[in-house]
Amino acid sequence: QKEVEQDPGPLSVPEGAIVSLNCTYSNSAFQYFMWYRQYSRKGPELLMYTYSSGNKEDGRFTAQVDKSSKYISLFIRDSQPSDSATYLCAMSGGTGGFKTIFGAGTRLFVKA
Amino acid sequence: SAVISQKPSRDICQRGTSLTIQCQVDSQVTMMFWYRQQPGQSLTLIATANQGSEATYESGFVIDKFPISRPNLTFSTLTVSNMSPEDSSIYLCSVDITVRGADGYTFGSGTRLTVV
Repeated sequence: QKEVEQDPGPLSVPEGAIVSLNCTYSNSAFQYFMWYRQYSRKGPELLMYTYSSGNKEDGRFTAQVDKSSKYISLFIRDSQPSDSATYLCAMSGGTGGFKTIFGAGTRLFVKA
Repeated sequence: SAVISQKPSRDICQRGTSLTIQCQVDSQVTMMFWYRQQPGQSLTLIATANQGSEATYESGFVIDKFPISRPNLTFSTLTVSNMSPEDSSIYLCSVDITVRGADGYTFGSGTRLTVV
């Protein structure tokens, strides 16, 4: 079993839709949870960062962590064509130290 | 946050040859990281490069195959040696960042390597 599981998609939605991207993980010791956005032919860029459980909101983006279920989510409201990218979840901390483990990424297409 | 320039952006190489990838950061950083991103796979850390010491390699990666140099605090190279088609991948360098109180990484644009 992989430490971090992420549906590769692709996920295709119309402009304006609410998008939900998810990851599950197996290491209950993870404390730091991140979402990266990667445009085609670019490196990943840090989008959201959450420590432990709870929600964090930044503009149209909301990151949610449910440690009891080992499940994290990224919600995108009012999605735009410019949101079309691959979204990677990442996590670190606990017994694995601060080594960051990445999901394989979900490819998102937002259609105008 | 730091800006990373990575080159080449892509290359097609013959098997058995070597390719050196360069990574330049616009500020001094203690650690630089090299990752591999294969299609459909998660980002995998190859090694951590500290200036003035040997790079630290992750399980499954060895110095003979992926020698790394770190001559100063703004520059590093990764060489992919004696390449085979299985080495076809995107290679990325990265550094630690703290943005708005969040700890993470910033990445170069990557080197897309195809071995034929």
